[in-house]
Amino acid sequence: SQQGEEDPQALSIQEGENATMNCSYKTSINNLQWYRQNSGRGLVHLILIRSNEREKHSGRLRVTLDTSKKSSSLLITASRAADTASYFCATGPNQGAQKLVFGQGTRLTINP
Amino acid sequence: EAQVTQNPRYLITVTGKKLTVTCSQNMNHEYMSWYRQDPGLGLRQIYYSMNVEVTDKGDVPEGYKVSRKEKRNFPLILESPSPNQTSLYFCASRGTRSGNTIYFGEGSWLTVV
Repeated sequence: SQQGEEDPQALSIQEGENATMNCSYKTSINNLQWYRQNSGRGLVHLILIRSNEREKHSGRLRVTLDTSKKSSSLLITASRAADTASYFCATGPNQGAQKLVFGQGTRLTINP
Repeated sequence: EAQVTQNPRYLITVTGKKLTVTCSQNMNHEYMSWYRQDPGLGLRQIYYSMNVEVTDKGDVPEGYKVSRKEKRNFPLILESPSPNQTSLYFCASRGTRSGNTIYFGEGSWLTVV
């Protein structure tokens, strides 16, 4: 079953603008991760945020986590054409459940 | 360079013809797994392995087999492929020292006709 649900499903913005993607999940988590997938390629780990963290930064990426709302957001600032990809949130692995549970992903297109 | 390597990357095969997708990681990771990615369904776990000779079913194991005879290798076996196994397959690994970060291979496009 899908744990995470990303919103929006697709996002198209102009280069230089900020892109925000949201993720909601259903059960309690130890951490939440964001991955990027270029078309037809493997997933690349972007950032992990633990359940006791509220915000985390990595370069142009900013991730927030609200465990009370069971939601997370990924902000990409000053977007570039190379940021065009699908972005997935994933929860887990949790104790006894050795897998990541992925959402459907947000397809981000950066227009030059 | 740390990596997860899958082969083949692209394959078209016929129904019923056994095939194996190999997966190898060079990071000495204990944990390996296989996912399939389908439009509208996202990524779903097929099988996983916590260590050598330890494997377990994921969410969609039907029609697949795996083995873990060596730490670095985790092949996915389709004994009798069917068209509903047409998908994009990913192998992944994780080590105790990498925390919860999972490393993915580049994917294997499989078409069963």
